[in-house]
Amino acid sequence: SQQGEEDPQALSIQEGENATMNCSYKTSINNLQWYRQNSGRGLVHLILIRSNEREKHSGRLRVTLDTSKKSSSLLITASRAADTASYFCATEDLQGAQKLVFGQGTRLTINP
Amino acid sequence: SQTIHQWPATLVQPVGSPLSLECTVEGTSNPNLYWYRQAAGRGLQLLFYSVGIGQISSEVPQNLSASRPQDRQFILSSKKLLLSDSGFYLCAWSLGTGSNEQYFGPGTRLTVT
Repeated sequence: SQQGEEDPQALSIQEGENATMNCSYKTSINNLQWYRQNSGRGLVHLILIRSNEREKHSGRLRVTLDTSKKSSSLLITASRAADTASYFCATEDLQGAQKLVFGQGTRLTINP
Repeated sequence: SQTIHQWPATLVQPVGSPLSLECTVEGTSNPNLYWYRQAAGRGLQLLFYSVGIGQISSEVPQNLSASRPQDRQFILSSKKLLLSDSGFYLCAWSLGTGSNEQYFGPGTRLTVT
């Protein structure tokens, strides 16, 4: 089943602006991960946040996790045209047996 | 470094024909291996995963099967394709321990006509 639900489904912003995407999930988790997918390509791992972490940074990416609300957000600062892609959250739940459950994704378009 | 290969990149097959998609991983031993299907504009649906040779877990009852004949080889098969089998098929691997970050192949676009 698809546990993660991303919001919004699509987002279009101007280059240089910040982009925020949200993810909600339903079960208790070990970790939450964000992936990026360019059109017609495989997914690329961006960042992982563990259930005992609240915030994590990697370059222009900032991820937050609120386990009480079962939600996460991905912030991309100073967006570039090359950031245009679909972004997916994925959760490994406590009973996960080494598998991930992916959300439906947010389609991000950066306009030059 | 590790690499993952999938082939073919695209495939057009008639309804009722067989299917074999192959995925191989280089540069690591005893990886976990995964097959996903992605419908257009949608998220990933986990089809099968394997934590070792000959060990296959099926997530969704369907027209497909998977096999792992060698440590770093994962094969997705069907005896008779259905129209509903069309989609983008992705193979991924992860280390057997740790946080289960997954690394994806380039995918196979399957169109059943």
